[in-house]
Amino acid sequence: DTAVSQTPKYLVTQMGNDKSIKCEQNLGHDTMYWYKQDSKKFLKIMFSYNNKELIINETVPNRFSPKSPDKAHLNLHINSLELGDSAVYFCASSKGREGAGANVLTFGAGSRLTVL
Amino acid sequence: KQEVTQIPAALSVPEGENLVLNCSFTDSAIYNLQWFRQDPGKGLTSLLLIQSSQREQTSGRLNASLDKSSGRSTLYIAASQPGDSATYLCAASGNTPLVFGKGTRLSVIA
Repeated sequence: DTAVSQTPKYLVTQMGNDKSIKCEQNLGHDTMYWYKQDSKKFLKIMFSYNNKELIINETVPNRFSPKSPDKAHLNLHINSLELGDSAVYFCASSKGREGAGANVLTFGAGSRLTVL
Repeated sequence: KQEVTQIPAALSVPEGENLVLNCSFTDSAIYNLQWFRQDPGKGLTSLLLIQSSQREQTSGRLNASLDKSSGRSTLYIAASQPGDSATYLCAASGNTPLVFGKGTRLSVIA
């Protein structure tokens, strides 16, 4: 009965590979997000989708491509992985859009990506 | 550009103490201010959300206040317990996407 689930939880790969992280929410929320938490524990938004429409796209290399097949899923595909991509990636969801008055975010447990 | 700062970065207290975690933000044009808890290896859990029109929110032993004019929020934890040990993050939502502070790592010693 996990609300926001991400797979895989851990991912170790070589530089130059392509990998995907999947996220699913069963809360009926309309908005989903991807956040990156770096080695200094700094959490920063990458993307946000509302009803499958991209609404936030921060300054992220175009090697990162989110895909939302439906509003319950937001997957993150990363091409040509680099050492600096090593981080914990968190998926989150909310009922409303970013910036709404009482828009509480529910986070997944995170996916730790290590690029060797 | 919104910047969120949390002080102290780490805090260690004996069980039973009341404590205050501080959060400051540079742009007062916010929609809300949220406090989260992050346990090691886990995601973030939302604790309290204060809308811009509110001054405080309470949940159990937690009380969060918001002073937009001074760009500050505090999280008050009463009668701390070892189970409160975690990293606490605040985040400001405004004209820019939700901006997080780096968190305060709290250790409550039994």
